[in-house]
Amino acid sequence: KAGVTQTPRYLIKTRGQQVTLSCSPISGHRSVSWYQQTPGQGLQFLFEYFSETQRNKGNFPGRFSGRQFSNSRSEMNVSTLELGDSALYLCASSLAGQGLREQYFGPGTRLTVT
Amino acid sequence: AQSVTQLGSHVSVSEGALVLLRCNYSSSVPPYLFWYVQYPNQGLQLLLKYTSAATLVKGINGFEAEFKKSETSFHLTKPSAHMSDAAEYFCAVSVSGGGADGLTFGKGTHLIIQP
Repeated sequence: KAGVTQTPRYLIKTRGQQVTLSCSPISGHRSVSWYQQTPGQGLQFLFEYFSETQRNKGNFPGRFSGRQFSNSRSEMNVSTLELGDSALYLCASSLAGQGLREQYFGPGTRLTVT
Repeated sequence: AQSVTQLGSHVSVSEGALVLLRCNYSSSVPPYLFWYVQYPNQGLQLLLKYTSAATLVKGINGFEAEFKKSETSFHLTKPSAHMSDAAEYFCAVSVSGGGADGLTFGKGTHLIIQP
């Protein structure tokens, strides 16, 4: 079974621009979560989508948004990029439902804002 | 709210020596606990998970962890370190099993293996 895929793997943007990152979950996984990883703040939860609905959101400004499509693929968008948005953005998928649902991570998209 | 503390941002051990990476958690409800490993320029790989079925959990690559409720700890160990174990290790907690509330991660421990 194929793992979680993220595109693109690397991205360079300029301050003020916007960016869209894509994530394809493991087949059959309906929950997709996004995380930001930086040297200073570590791994931080951005938001989680299930059945095209955002179920929870971390403590990030409204410039960070996402969506999920009917095939469970997800995108996240960052508008008005700031230098501090430079990070590795990780997507994780899991089965939905109650109880233990471990998350499987993709390789990440490394975003550099100049 | 839950939180995770990993003691030691860097741990160095000799090849063949015991590996011990420390993790303490805080949670108001019984937690689900995880250890992940991250190799350079890669995503996170699940090493093991605590499901409340057993306090001693065995994972991949010879790693295991013991859940101690009285100490709110979930330390990761491996009897004999291998050069290929050099990586960043993250302890994570969830109160919903990794569902809607996401995972709360520790800051990570960089494991260095000395030849």
